[in-house]
Amino acid sequence: GAGVSQTPSNKVTEKGKYVELRCDPISGHTALYWYRQSLGQGPEFLIYFQGTGAADDSGLPNDRFFAVRPEGSVSTLKIQRTERGDSAVYLCASSLFPGGNTGELFFGEGSRLTVL
Amino acid sequence: SQQGEEDPQALSIQEGENATMNCSYKTSINNLQWYRQNSGRGLVHLILIRSNEREKHSGRLRVTLDTSKKSSSLLITASRAADTASYFCAIDIIQGAQKLVFGQGTRLTINP
Repeated sequence: GAGVSQTPSNKVTEKGKYVELRCDPISGHTALYWYRQSLGQGPEFLIYFQGTGAADDSGLPNDRFFAVRPEGSVSTLKIQRTERGDSAVYLCASSLFPGGNTGELFFGEGSRLTVL
Repeated sequence: SQQGEEDPQALSIQEGENATMNCSYKTSINNLQWYRQNSGRGLVHLILIRSNEREKHSGRLRVTLDTSKKSSSLLITASRAADTASYFCAIDIIQGAQKLVFGQGTRLTINP
């Protein structure tokens, strides 16, 4: 597709369950980012991939959160043993790797996660 | 915190007026970017200004950057109802491993 695609757009789950959120970046974009946004707040950085490898995962809040990008394209954010505090919109973005500074990010519409 | 801090948190003006939003930060940057977000979903890139630039224009948008004061401003001229959205500044930190750090945003409401 022409833009960044995220599925599902909405996910309601129960406390303690496992969830997966998928991101399909713009074709050819080597850099992929996951952010989390709570109501009324700005996006909070979670993890950044350059190709298949996680170049920076310093924003993952704890070991319940994990993300993969096995073929350097689609990425999956995985959350184990979900907690009510995990409720947020999870945003994915991709960009062309500029070889230096961070350029423009192209965002998907986000996956709204609600943990009951 | 290294993140940008927007000011004001909320702004309400009449259609046709100019809207100014400010962003301050605490560290050295490669560039500063402004994004727009409608209805809490995806963000859309508006403009990028590099650390060696002082001012940049794009249509009705004007962005300034003062690295000595570690601040930036976004001016939207001749506002329209469709400009109603949240606006975020994001900084690309030097040696920050290619990631953007976002501020809390300014919620702009344009009244018809």
